[in-house]
Amino acid sequence: DQQVKQNSPSLSVQEGRISILNCDYTNSMFDYFLWYKKYPAEGPTFLISISSIKDKNEDGRFTVFLNKSAKHLSLHIVPSQPGDSAVYFCAARRGSGNTPLVFGKGTRLSVIA
Amino acid sequence: KAGVTQTPRYLIKTRGQQVTLSCSPISGHRSVSWYQQTPGQGLQFLFEYFSETQRNKGNFPGRFSGRQFSNSRSEMNVSTLELGDSALYLCASSSGTITDTQYFGPGTRLTVL
Repeated sequence: DQQVKQNSPSLSVQEGRISILNCDYTNSMFDYFLWYKKYPAEGPTFLISISSIKDKNEDGRFTVFLNKSAKHLSLHIVPSQPGDSAVYFCAARRGSGNTPLVFGKGTRLSVIA
Repeated sequence: KAGVTQTPRYLIKTRGQQVTLSCSPISGHRSVSWYQQTPGQGLQFLFEYFSETQRNKGNFPGRFSGRQFSNSRSEMNVSTLELGDSALYLCASSSGTITDTQYFGPGTRLTVL
C-alpha cells in the first residue's frame, strides 16, 4: 500500500513558466513533509519542507503548499529554469517518534528552453 | 563540512554472492538511514541506525542487514544476492531529531548478474 503518491511520472514545462508538482498521501498521521530533487548519478538533495502546522512555505523560487483536509501537497517552481530538470521526490513522516521518511515514486520534470 | 560519502560507487556481483556497502555520514550526524531505489519504485526504506542501534526497520527480508560503528560510519550487507537486488543503494545521514533534514550520499549502484 503506497502511502505517498506522485501520480504524474513526468512533467514538461517551458523555461520561465511555473512548474507544479503534486503529491498525495493517505496516512493522516503524517505531519512533516519534504521535497527532494535528484539528478542522475547523484543522491537526492533536500529542497524544502513543511510542517503540518503551516499551509505554505517559501524558499526563493520554491514554494510548497499543504492541504491537510485533502491530504495533498504541491511544489511550485517559479520561474522554471533548465537546471531544474530532475526527478522530484515527495516524502513524509510522522512527527511523533523518530519514524522513517516515506517517499513517493518521483516525478521527472523537464524544463524546455 | 564534507558530505555523505558512499563506497564503492559501483559494484557488479553474481547471484548467490554477498556484498557490503559502506557509508560515512556528515561529521556530527548520529543517524544513518539506508534506502533502495529501483526503477519506478521510488526510495524504499531499509533501516536506520542511531548511536550504533537499529532504530527503525523497513519491510525487507533478513538477507539485508546493517550495522553502525562508534564513529557513526555504517555498513549494509546483502547476503545470497538475487537478480532483483540490482538497485541504487542510498545512504542518508542526519542528527536524528524529528524534523532534521536527511542528507543523502551519491549512492552505490549494485548490479547482480
